[in-house]
Amino acid sequence: EVQLVESGGGLVQPGRSLRLSCAASGFTFDDYAMHWVRQAPGKGLEWVSGISWNSGSIGYADSVKGRFTISRDNAKNSLYLQMNSLRAEDTALYYCAKGISSSWYGEYFQHWGQGTLVTVSS
Amino acid sequence: SYVLTQPPSVSVAPGKTARITCGGNNIGSKSVHWYQQKPGQAPVLVIYYDSDRPSGIPERFSGSNSGNTATLTISRVEAGDEADYYCQVWDSSSDPFGGGTKLTVL
Repeated sequence: EVQLVESGGGLVQPGRSLRLSCAASGFTFDDYAMHWVRQAPGKGLEWVSGISWNSGSIGYADSVKGRFTISRDNAKNSLYLQMNSLRAEDTALYYCAKGISSSWYGEYFQHWGQGTLVTVSS
Repeated sequence: SYVLTQPPSVSVAPGKTARITCGGNNIGSKSVHWYQQKPGQAPVLVIYYDSDRPSGIPERFSGSNSGNTATLTISRVEAGDEADYYCQVWDSSSDPFGGGTKLTVL
């Protein structure tokens, strides 16, 4: 059974940093691209970032480009999101999602974690 | 940027058919995927590649895609189908998700 467990969320002040983690199990992690998708309170889904199986290809939403960095450690079956210069509008539930192939672009999101909440507020 | 347009809400009586649309320029030439999200839960894939159903998704859920509109159809709607539904399409750097449609079962 595929399991994705996010962690690292919390309350952080504007301008500060936070690092999210996603622990994956139940599948061969380094065969698949992975993504971060977020959902602001009461709002819709927003794709944040995707990373290919070997980290060779990465994509970001315009809203986070230059501030967020996605990475993965295939030896640890883990996905990360380093979030810098956080803003109030980054407040959201952040989901880790598994792709269906080694490439992050053009896929659908086959499995989702339960999310970790990030609140940016002074 | 590529814009996906969904109606904010759709209402349907139990046992009837619900149709949720996703509009986009020439969306019929792209692959459309659909997700169901119930309150307090993570999204669940219900349709991929326009009309394919993942294992475990009831046959009542179906999809179509042509021209400028993709449609998620839910037949014989049940109370448990009440949820938010999102379409998803990749097009360059645009956000791949539509704005979502809240399905209310009357």
